Amino acid sequence: DAKTTQPNSMESNEEEPVHLPCNHSTISGTDYIHWYRQLPSQGPEYVIHGLTSNVNNRMASLAIAEDRKSSTLILHRATLRDAAVYYCILRAVFRSARQLTFGSGTQLTVLP
Amino acid sequence: DTGVSQNPRHKITKRGQNVTFRCDPISEHNRLYWYRQTLGQGPEFLTYFQNEAQLEKSRLLSDRFSAERPKGSFSTLEIQRTEQGDSAMYLCASSLANNEQFFGPGTRLTVL
Repeated sequence: DAKTTQPNSMESNEEEPVHLPCNHSTISGTDYIHWYRQLPSQGPEYVIHGLTSNVNNRMASLAIAEDRKSSTLILHRATLRDAAVYYCILRAVFRSARQLTFGSGTQLTVLP
Repeated sequence: DTGVSQNPRHKITKRGQNVTFRCDPISEHNRLYWYRQTLGQGPEFLTYFQNEAQLEKSRLLSDRFSAERPKGSFSTLEIQRTEQGDSAMYLCASSLANNEQFFGPGTRLTVL
C-alpha cells in the first residue's frame, strides 16, 4: 500500500478554518484518498473521500493537488467537538478486502 | 441506535484465559471488519468478512485468534490463552459493499 505522511499534531482556534495536510507521493492512479477521524474514546468515523477532484460535504472539504501527491482536509470553522485524531488513508480500488490501513494520524487540538 | 455495537465495552482478564467479543453491525451491511488499536497508534486490520465468509486475515491474527460471522449477521472474535501483549482496543466496523466503514465504540481488553 502507498504510504501517507501527516504532521503528528496541529492546533487551531475555535471558529477558525483548519487545513490538515497529507502527503502521499507514491499514490497510484487507482487509489482513493479517504479521511477518517477518531474522537476521544470512540471508534473512527468517516469524514470524506475523493479521487481527483475537490470534494465537499457537510463535515469538511477535501482539496486534492493536481498531481495527487498531496491533499488537504479543510474544516471551515473548527469547533471544540472537532478535536480528534485525523487519519489520511489511501484505499486501493482493486484490493479485494479493501480494509483501511491507518497511520498515526494528526492530533488536532482546538483552543477555545 | 442503529449503529455498530460492541460488547462488552471493557474486559479485564488474567493471562492465559480465553475471551470472546461480540460485534453487531448495521443490519444491511454485508461487510464486517475487525481492527486492533494500541495506545497512540492507528487501528490495525485483523480480519474481514463478506457475509458469512472470512475472506482475509492479517498476519497479526495469530492462531490464538479466531473470528466467526455465522449467518452473516453478528460476529465474534475469540482470543485463546491471552497474553499481556493482547491488551488493546478491539474495533469492529461494517460497510455496505465498498462504501465507507462505520465503526463501533470498541472493546477495551486489559490482560493482567
